[in-house]
Amino acid sequence: AQSVTQPDIHITVSEGASLELRCNYSYGATPYLFWYVQSPGQGLQLLLKYFSGDTLVQGIKGFEAEFKRSQSSFNLRKPSVHWSDAAEYFCAVAVSGGYQKVTFGTGTKLQVIP
Amino acid sequence: DAGITQSPRHKVTETGTPVTLRCHQTENHRYMYWYRQDPGHGLRLIHYSYGVKDTDKGEVSDGYSVSRSKTEDFLLTLESATSSQTSVYFCATGPGLGETQYFGPGTRLLVL
Repeated sequence: AQSVTQPDIHITVSEGASLELRCNYSYGATPYLFWYVQSPGQGLQLLLKYFSGDTLVQGIKGFEAEFKRSQSSFNLRKPSVHWSDAAEYFCAVAVSGGYQKVTFGTGTKLQVIP
Repeated sequence: DAGITQSPRHKVTETGTPVTLRCHQTENHRYMYWYRQDPGHGLRLIHYSYGVKDTDKGEVSDGYSVSRSKTEDFLLTLESATSSQTSVYFCATGPGLGETQYFGPGTRLLVL
């Protein structure tokens, strides 16, 4: 079965600094990969997704992620963080074939300080 | 945004009582999901549906049942609520494999 690991439970960055959130997956083939964001008291919203092709994908709100097959990673990045980016971020993986079942990581909570 | 609503949004109940949560979508998505979200666990899949009357278990299905009699509605029932089922429950829908999942606003359930 597939699994997703987000090794950082909590990250604090200064406003304007760059951000990288880590995500590692375990699956034999190339999965579908997603990053979602959850603001307090809200449901999850898709930031970006990777299916195939260009390994660097652009998402909403200035986020991007890079798929690295050799490292089984799909890290999320943003060059300059804004205070409104404070939220919890979830990496997710869906396997190809069969029914759509998505496995989520445990999330990384981002705090942005002035 | 996909039209996904959940009802109720908040519920307090007592141990041993049955509870039903409803998810309603207006997007005609084939797939519907119920997740629970708990600190330190992220989102865990309870049950999902791949069509009307077609459902399957997720990773934490014990104590829960689901039904889908119409494309737009997916019901989650806690047959006899326990305190361990205190959680935030999210419904999600999706058009197909590998596609984006769209989430509802969540239901906060407290079992006393």
